[in-house]
Formats: sequence, C-alpha cells, structure tokens
Amino acid sequence: GEDVEQSLFLSVREGDSSVINCTYTDSSSTYLYWYKQEPGAGLQLLTYIFSNMDMKQDQRLTVLLNKKDKHLSLRIADTQTGDSAIYFCAETPLYNQGGKLIFGQGTELSVKP
Amino acid sequence: EPEVTQTPSHQVTQMGQEVILRCVPISNHLYFYWYRQILGQKVEFLVSFYNNEISEKSEIFDDQFSVERPDGSNFTLKIRSTKLEDSAMYFCASSEGLGGHEQFFGPGTRLTVL
Repeated sequence: GEDVEQSLFLSVREGDSSVINCTYTDSSSTYLYWYKQEPGAGLQLLTYIFSNMDMKQDQRLTVLLNKKDKHLSLRIADTQTGDSAIYFCAETPLYNQGGKLIFGQGTELSVKP
Repeated sequence: EPEVTQTPSHQVTQMGQEVILRCVPISNHLYFYWYRQILGQKVEFLVSFYNNEISEKSEIFDDQFSVERPDGSNFTLKIRSTKLEDSAMYFCASSEGLGGHEQFFGPGTRLTVL
C-alpha cells in the first residue's frame, strides 16, 4: 500500500543547513511535494518535483529524489529562525484520478539562534 | 493574495450530533478536497470533489460523511452523527487542476467531539 514516512524532529542552529528526509513506498508516484505548516496556519506548498527528475533547486531549497531507494530530501540552506515549522512530504500516486495527496507524519524543524 | 478560508476555527460538539464544516475555496479553482489530521497522526485524505461530484474518497469517508457545494462559493463537509474518534483538525483545500497544480490549504477547523 501507499505509505510515506518521515522522522519526527530535527534541530539545527541558525545559519546551518537543514536536511529533512522522507521515504515512500509507491513506485508509481508522479509528483512528490514538500509542504510547510506554521502554528495555526494551513499547509503551504514549498516545492514539488516530478518523479522523472533527480533534483530541483529553488533559492534556498534543494529537493533530491532517489527513485531507486524511494527517498526524497529537502535541504534548506542558511536556515533561519523563521524556518521553524512542521514540514510534510507528500506524494500523488500515478493511478490517482482525484488528486489525492498522501502525507508523511511531518518533521518538526526547530531552529536555534 | 487569494486564500482558502474555513469556518469555524474550532467546533465543539456532543457525540451523535451533526456538524457542518464550511470552506470557501479560491474562486477560480475547480477541484476541492477535505483532509483531516488526528492529533499526533498524519494528514489523511478524505475526499476530492470536481464538477459537482465526488472524484475519489478514502475508506474513512463512510456514509456518515457527505460533501456539498451548495452555491458557487462554499464547499461543506457534513458529519451526520459524530463519534469521539472524529475529533481532529479538518483541512479544506482547492486547486486549479490535478498533478503538479498546487493544492491551497485553509487554516483548518479543529473539531472536538465530547
């Protein structure tokens, strides 16, 4: 079945790079997403990658996809205290007709000054 | 910037009561979704809706749940007879299309069933 797994917590110092990891089971995934959730707010899309890509860079964000290992990572360069939030990995299965997103449990990123 | 809104932000109800959670999607979006997150658990897909009908629903979305787009702006989730285990944060989302189109999420409604 479909499953997406993430580690629950990550703590870094301001200015360091953060790497948040995600594994998924569905080899038919078409799109893989990273969402950010700040306290009291909804989920905000940060970036996404199509499954035929290996890497995508968007300013401080770098997404790496290892299709063989079904591993997705999000690297945040020069992490700031404002990056403290919960980060969700999500995927859309290939067969899906309804747009369903399958989420991981979220990684809580804590950035210490 | 357009955004998805949800009301109420917090709903408290007694077990067995009906609740209606309301959402106003972004106006030019065509696809609408409900997700829920039980405290400490994953965000789970409930249902997607397009062209005035359900496109897909999960196993969670049983006969106690229904969705409706009663007018051109609102999208509602009704739970007919709430159970304790329905307590969760419910998120509405909307998108222009499928695949790589972003799903824009609302801030959520926290439902507490006593």
